[in-house]
Amino acid sequence: ETGVTQTPRHLVMGMTNKKSLKCEQHLGHNAMYWYKQSAKKPLELMFVYNFKEQTENNSVPSRFSPECPNSSHLFLHLHTLQPEDSALYLCASSQALQGYGYTFGSGTRLTVV
Amino acid sequence: GQQVMQIPQYQHVQEGEDFTTYCNSSTTLSNIQWYKQRPGGHPVFLIQLVKSGEVKKQKRLTFQFGEAKKNSSLHITATQTTDVGTYFCAGPRYGGSQGNLIFGKGTKLSVKP
Repeated sequence: ETGVTQTPRHLVMGMTNKKSLKCEQHLGHNAMYWYKQSAKKPLELMFVYNFKEQTENNSVPSRFSPECPNSSHLFLHLHTLQPEDSALYLCASSQALQGYGYTFGSGTRLTVV
Repeated sequence: GQQVMQIPQYQHVQEGEDFTTYCNSSTTLSNIQWYKQRPGGHPVFLIQLVKSGEVKKQKRLTFQFGEAKKNSSLHITATQTTDVGTYFCAGPRYGGSQGNLIFGKGTKLSVKP
């Protein structure tokens, strides 16, 4: 375990479904992130939360909706996704103000059918 | 816009050979980070370099930050099959909030035993 736990590990959903991805960190970090990793593309930042406040939304479509109820938990709510949204969704945390590296979770492999 | 480029995209080596991947940024970076992602896994933080010309070693891995703080390299001496994976560099995104990183596309290393 990395200290950042993501559930579920795998998810298959239809384009009309609504689902949520969950991330929990046990490291006492104050920043959390959602990244998308697709084949042959660099890691794409989606959202940044510092001290549970959203500080970055990297032009992500509204069908992705993040939620950060506290500094240890992060959710990504999904609805009416498209097949091109199929990817590995990675959650990460860091102690942002100290500039340390990210600790990534194991990711959720999402397939939209 | 800001870019972080890595070369080569792929590298195939015989076990025991050396390997180097290069990272080039379009902007000066305050720091650079390196990550390794094993096949089917998630990125794992390796190291952060901060100072101009800095060189750090981790066993067979040598990391270097350029004098102009716009490029970096990772060199592996005498590769082993356990080195297989994709190596990413990342730097702070210009104008982004604290902890917001921009990643290169990575160098995928395969090692033939």
